[in-house]
Amino acid sequence: EAEVAQSPRYKITEKSQAVAFWCDPISGHATLYWYRQILGQGPELLVQFQDESVVDDSQLPKDRFSAERLKGVDSTLKIQPAELGDSAMYLCASSFSPSGLENTEAFFGQGTRLTVV
Amino acid sequence: AQKITQTQPGMFVQEKEAVTLDCTYDTSDQSYGLFWYKQPSSGEMIFLIYQGSYDEQNATEGRYSLNFQKARKSANLVISASQLGDSAMYFCAMRGHGYVKYIFGTGTRLKVLA
Repeated sequence: EAEVAQSPRYKITEKSQAVAFWCDPISGHATLYWYRQILGQGPELLVQFQDESVVDDSQLPKDRFSAERLKGVDSTLKIQPAELGDSAMYLCASSFSPSGLENTEAFFGQGTRLTVV
Repeated sequence: AQKITQTQPGMFVQEKEAVTLDCTYDTSDQSYGLFWYKQPSSGEMIFLIYQGSYDEQNATEGRYSLNFQKARKSANLVISASQLGDSAMYFCAMRGHGYVKYIFGTGTRLKVLA
């Protein structure tokens, strides 16, 4: 069964260090999302791609976070420098939405649980 | 602005009984979709059920059904014949029209008792 792949599953890093997460969406899914989920809360969008283009990064802390999806397939989310408040689950999701407008369900990966110490 | 509200932080249900998880939403879009996801302790978000705003019939998927009341802007999830494996966090989500993101509620933690 097709699934969204994320790595690593767990990451512990010291504050001020750089950290990167990788996501490979389901093949053929044009829309890719990075969400951040703080413990006890619902996911909140960081960045949304349609193919290789960013369509929403309004909640991405751009002074320290960056995201790319160079070939419109897999994606990398980077934090530099990491802060204690960045400790959270980072979830990647994709949906089959060729135009970006279709209302289809998003499929999530297992997430990367980040702990900043 | 779009918003999802889940007012039940936690729920208990006896095994084999039915349970309803509440969700209300706010949007000015005419076209939108409503989704429910399950998140076990392992962390992955599992898609359960979808309801489109123009769908006249309530969505059903196996033991899951969505009680959609458009005028009241509610989209409650009903789980019938609860199983121990249903114990998890449940999130209601909405997606509006266009290049928009999924908005999630704060979740309800369901515990199924043996």
